[in-house]
Amino acid sequence: AQSVTQPDIHITVSEGASLELRCNYSYGATPYLFWYVQSPGQGLQLLLKYFSGDTLVQGIKGFEAEFKRSQSSFNLRKPSVHWSDAAEYFCAVGARNTDKLIFGTGTRLQVFP
Amino acid sequence: EAEVAQSPRYKITEKSQAVAFWCDPISGHATLYWYRQILGQGPELLVQFQDESVVDDSQLPKDRFSAERLKGVDSTLKIQPAELGDSAMYLCASSTAGRGMRNSPLHFGNGTRLTVT
Repeated sequence: AQSVTQPDIHITVSEGASLELRCNYSYGATPYLFWYVQSPGQGLQLLLKYFSGDTLVQGIKGFEAEFKRSQSSFNLRKPSVHWSDAAEYFCAVGARNTDKLIFGTGTRLQVFP
Repeated sequence: EAEVAQSPRYKITEKSQAVAFWCDPISGHATLYWYRQILGQGPELLVQFQDESVVDDSQLPKDRFSAERLKGVDSTLKIQPAELGDSAMYLCASSTAGRGMRNSPLHFGNGTRLTVT
């Protein structure tokens, strides 16, 4: 069965510092992979997605993620964090023949000035 | 940019009462989803519609939850009777995907925050 693990529940970084949020998935084949961001009291906004091809994908707001098949990972990165990036980040996996998404439990990002 | 509309934003209800949430997807989106997000967790799919038909309701607690999308456009999720454990954010999402989401990722509404007292 598909599953997603986000090992970091809470991460705190200083504004301007680099960021990496970890995501590991379990799936029998190459899945569709997504990162969503959720601000407090809001819905989820898609940051980026990976379906196939180049394993480094660029998203909105300066985020990127790298798919590593050997490690079953899809980590999210940003070279310089802004205070407005403080939010909850969710990694999700989708099977290639369905529309169903399985979400991880999320990582809460706190940014200090 | 078009949005998924949900109402109400917040709902407080007493246990054993009935409660309903409404969702209007992005125009033209045939697939509609209801997710439940318990505080501190990721969203969990409750039900998926393709047009007016239910595609997946395997995680919907059918003894108390019901969902409908009568005309294949907007949708209502109902809980009767509500229990304390139903307190959560209920998110609606839509996409143009039929089978597979390669060309149409999910677009989420802002959700309804339900508190059961």
